[in-house]
Amino acid sequence: GAVVSQHPSWVICKSGTSVKIECRSLDFQATTMFWYRQFPKQSLMLMATSNEGSKATYEQGVEKDKFLINHASLTLSTLTVTSAHPEDSSFYICSAYPHEQFFGPGTRLTVL
Amino acid sequence: GDSVTQMEGPVTLSEEAFLTINCTYTATGYPSLFWYVQYPGEGLQLLLKATKADDKGSNKGFEATYRKETTSFHLEKGSVQVSDSAVYFCALSPYSGGGADGLTFGKGTHLIIQP
Repeated sequence: GAVVSQHPSWVICKSGTSVKIECRSLDFQATTMFWYRQFPKQSLMLMATSNEGSKATYEQGVEKDKFLINHASLTLSTLTVTSAHPEDSSFYICSAYPHEQFFGPGTRLTVL
Repeated sequence: GDSVTQMEGPVTLSEEAFLTINCTYTATGYPSLFWYVQYPGEGLQLLLKATKADDKGSNKGFEATYRKETTSFHLEKGSVQVSDSAVYFCALSPYSGGGADGLTFGKGTHLIIQP
């Protein structure tokens, strides 16, 4: 139980395009989902916290207009990287919280 | 702000060896502390946690004690197995609620156990 999926697992896009990453809790409902970003050999950095039906709360230094987060239902949150650039290339990981954080396997974004 | 420092790897041990992965933290207030494990191709899984000082978290033979006086939460296991090979992350949550808030992570320690 408590499985979180992410789709896609790997995406390559051209600079200037937008990319949407989905995070789903498959067998439970999550009122809160978190999005993290991980650079190579670095720790996971919290980007934002999203609660179902309300606006996401972004961490300091994270551009909310570039990283759009939508938590439309209790089982789905999406992260859209708008007008992606090579510096946005990274590993994006979501987690879903009912009573502890359950993590997805991550999405690797490469912007050419 | 809050931060977590853990020993960097890779750490290579022989099967049945004793394991210690050091983790220290800086935080205001009374954080909760966690160890997560990530196996290849999978998401992070909670290994153990402690929500207040002197608590000991344990799971699958792993243990860690929340030491407020030394701001540490070192991970230990008495006899490691090849199946323990993974990346281990130390993390904290700013409140004692046990993970309802965004986590601050260390950089991760890659553990390799050789037969």
